[in-house]
Amino acid sequence: RKEVEQDPGPFNVPEGATVAFNCTYSNSASQSFFWYRQDCRKEPKLLMSVYSSGNEDGRFTAQLNRASQYISLLIRDSKLSDSATYLCVVNVGDAGNMLTFGGGTRLMVKP
Amino acid sequence: DTAVSQTPKYLVTQMGNDKSIKCEQNLGHDTMYWYKQDSKKFLKIMFSYNNKELIINETVPNRFSPKSPDKAHLNLHINSLELGDSAVYFCASSRNYEQYFGPGTRLTVT
Repeated sequence: RKEVEQDPGPFNVPEGATVAFNCTYSNSASQSFFWYRQDCRKEPKLLMSVYSSGNEDGRFTAQLNRASQYISLLIRDSKLSDSATYLCVVNVGDAGNMLTFGGGTRLMVKP
Repeated sequence: DTAVSQTPKYLVTQMGNDKSIKCEQNLGHDTMYWYKQDSKKFLKIMFSYNNKELIINETVPNRFSPKSPDKAHLNLHINSLELGDSAVYFCASSRNYEQYFGPGTRLTVT
């Protein structure tokens, strides 16, 4: 079983749609959670951290369910520029601060 | 100004060669990392280094070795390159949990 699992997609949605991604993680000791965004042939960039109480940043909402060990990302009012791969990322808090990445979910927003 | 930079951007070499990829960060971060992203797009941590402690992912072959001349640099040296080493290698740095990635080095081993 992969440590962090995501549906690879692609999710094809029209502009203005709401789309949600889920991610599950296997290590119950995981302490920190993030969503990163990666554009084609570019480096990953932090989109947002995920807090236990849930958090929102503009059109993006992240949720964490520790009991079920899953993380979600909701994007409202999708824009063409949201087209990218969204990476679910977990930190178990061990020495080295190393991150474990999911395989990513590809989103394509169409006009 | 570029926060995390890597050179070269592209590297094509033959099996058996030894090569190095350089990484520099100007963010004043204490910890630097190397990641490998393979053809299936999985991004995997290789090393974490904070100028006092090197943490190695146990799955990384010992042909790979990080070298840090100073806090702002973490280079990746690869001995005896193999076909399976072909991938994109990303350097990153952090102070806390947020990691900043370099633009990547696309390595092709022929």
